[in-house]
Amino acid sequence: AQSVAQPEDQVNVAEGNPLTVKCTYSVSGNPYLFWYVQYPNRGLQFLLKYITGDNLVKGSYGFEAEFNKSQTSFHLKKPSALVSDSALYFCAALPMDSSYKLIFGSGTRLLVRP
Amino acid sequence: EAGVTQSPTHLIKTRGQQATLRCSPISGHTSVYWYQQALGLGLQFLLWYDEGEERNRGNFPPRFSGRQFPNYSSELNVNALELEDSALYLCASTPWPGTTEAFFGQGTRLTVV
Repeated sequence: AQSVAQPEDQVNVAEGNPLTVKCTYSVSGNPYLFWYVQYPNRGLQFLLKYITGDNLVKGSYGFEAEFNKSQTSFHLKKPSALVSDSALYFCAALPMDSSYKLIFGSGTRLLVRP
Repeated sequence: EAGVTQSPTHLIKTRGQQATLRCSPISGHTSVYWYQQALGLGLQFLLWYDEGEERNRGNFPPRFSGRQFPNYSSELNVNALELEDSALYLCASTPWPGTTEAFFGQGTRLTVV
């Protein structure tokens, strides 16, 4: 079965420090990859996507993600975390199989302490 | 431009009742997707509608159904509600199938008591 894994339930980081939220995928072909963020009692907000090309993708709010095909990973990064970045982050993959069904990871809660 | 809107924001139903959730996609978007976000289960794909037709459904029983109207808005119906149906139901839309990012609404929190 195709899947997306986010191995960390929670990531804790101090404000101003770099952050990484990990994601690996097991999806056939060359899926599109996404990161979404969810604030309390809100829907998902799109952060960034990888389709093809440069392995480093830049997105909203200073976030970026690094695609590694050999490791089937798509880790979310930010050079300097803000307290306001604290939220639930979801990695997702869109298989190119005409199902058009996003496969989500289980989510990682990011907690940035002042 | 208005985003994806869902109504109601919160819904409380009794076990065995039916729930109807509504979604209006972004103007010009023809594809609507429904996802269930249940506690501890992450986001699970429910249904995909495009041009008024159901195109794909996830691993959910038939009591989860829906439809898409000519204006591309959509309705999700859950019959014979069970306690485990309590979840946040998210709707998303894309301009057409297979587009890159999906745009999500704020969700409907369904509580079954």
